[in-house]
Amino acid sequence: DAKTTQPNSMESNEEEPVHLPCNHSTISGTDYIHWYRQLPSQGPEYVIHGLTSNVNNRMASLAIAEDRKSSTLILHRATLRDAAVYYCILRDVGGYRDDKIIFGKGTRLHILP
Amino acid sequence: GAGVSQSPRYKVAKRGQDVALRCDPISGHVSLFWYQQALGQGPEFLTYFQNEAQLDKSGLPSDRFFAERPEGSVSTLKIQRTQQEDSAVYLCASSVRGSGELFFGEGSRLTVL
Repeated sequence: DAKTTQPNSMESNEEEPVHLPCNHSTISGTDYIHWYRQLPSQGPEYVIHGLTSNVNNRMASLAIAEDRKSSTLILHRATLRDAAVYYCILRDVGGYRDDKIIFGKGTRLHILP
Repeated sequence: GAGVSQSPRYKVAKRGQDVALRCDPISGHVSLFWYQQALGQGPEFLTYFQNEAQLDKSGLPSDRFFAERPEGSVSTLKIQRTQQEDSAVYLCASSVRGSGELFFGEGSRLTVL
């Protein structure tokens, strides 16, 4: 399985933008970059995903490097509710059987009021 | 409800007891996943179903762990002769198809004394 590398933890002030980095130097051509987050005492929830182009949705933006070896999840205006563990995941959706998501340790994001 | 439902939310078992954890996926979701999450760690993949077929059970840690989804809807994860190292949160997720966004339940927290 292709691996990702994320900082163990990050801090940000409330109402400021947050940039969460992820390195995936061994990414293959059929790997999508997915982000999930896990709020305290809850299961993970989907945030965003992309292949090559930058992506935006109501929760966040995903900026993907041109060589696809790294990406950044951008929370435009962090709130206390965004304090969570953020997981960057590579997922090959080209196959039929290998659909499982492999989680790493993620980045624990602390939001300071 | 509209989300993935897991029961029980909390289970305390004495070492050596058998436990059964239930997952009700979102109606119509073909794929169902089980994960194990130890304290402070990311979720670890256990097994994956597509309808009633168990396509991947490579993550089950021992033959004491058994999962089934006999009618392609509700799934049960059974742990026989529980050990202290089985203490964890067990997460269930479902998706429309294997490569789609995963929707997680809140998990079942198992404590083995």
